[in-house]
Amino acid sequence: SQTIHQWPATLVQPVGSPLSLECTVEGTSNPNLYWYRQAAGRGLQLLFYSVGIGQISSEVPQNLSASRPQDRQFILSSKKLLLSDSGFYLCAWSVADEQYFGPGTRLTVT
Amino acid sequence: SQKIEQNSEALNIQEGKTATLTCNYTNYSPAYLQWYRQDPGRGPVFLLLIRENEKEKRKERLKVTFDTTLKQSLFHITASQPADSATYLCAPLYSSASKIIFGSGTRLSIRP
Repeated sequence: SQTIHQWPATLVQPVGSPLSLECTVEGTSNPNLYWYRQAAGRGLQLLFYSVGIGQISSEVPQNLSASRPQDRQFILSSKKLLLSDSGFYLCAWSVADEQYFGPGTRLTVT
Repeated sequence: SQKIEQNSEALNIQEGKTATLTCNYTNYSPAYLQWYRQDPGRGPVFLLLIRENEKEKRKERLKVTFDTTLKQSLFHITASQPADSATYLCAPLYSSASKIIFGSGTRLSIRP
């Protein structure tokens, strides 16, 4: 069966520091991969999606970037975090028009 | 641009009653419309998918309808239980796109 891993589960980072969140998927090949952010009490905001290695589509211009170095690995990065980057970051993969989400990373920028 | 609107306010329902949640979209009709459940601190969990040529879909106590004329999907939970309390998200999918964009969700509370 397919599983999706995200780490770390929680993260507290100072403003201006770099960020790297990793997501890996097991049990499937060539999945569509997604990064979402959810601010407290708000809906899901699609940040990036990828249909293949090295193929990244950005939905919202900001100081975040994404990379897909391997088929089942999706990385979210920032060179300098802002306070507004705080939130719940979710990685997801899709098959047959259904999305499956990872456990999420709670990021607090202080 | 495409907009997805869900009941912005929380819905409070007495246990045993039917809860009905609304999802409205503008402009283009999606090829599919999905419903997800999200519990606090967790990622959304897929519940049901309905295609544009289907008027109704059922799964246990859940029922989803899709009206392309009204540009609306309704999500029903019959015989509601306190364990059904969660935020429910709708997500239209357009056949030409690979991305799924979610509505802001409706928080449902079922009181005993």
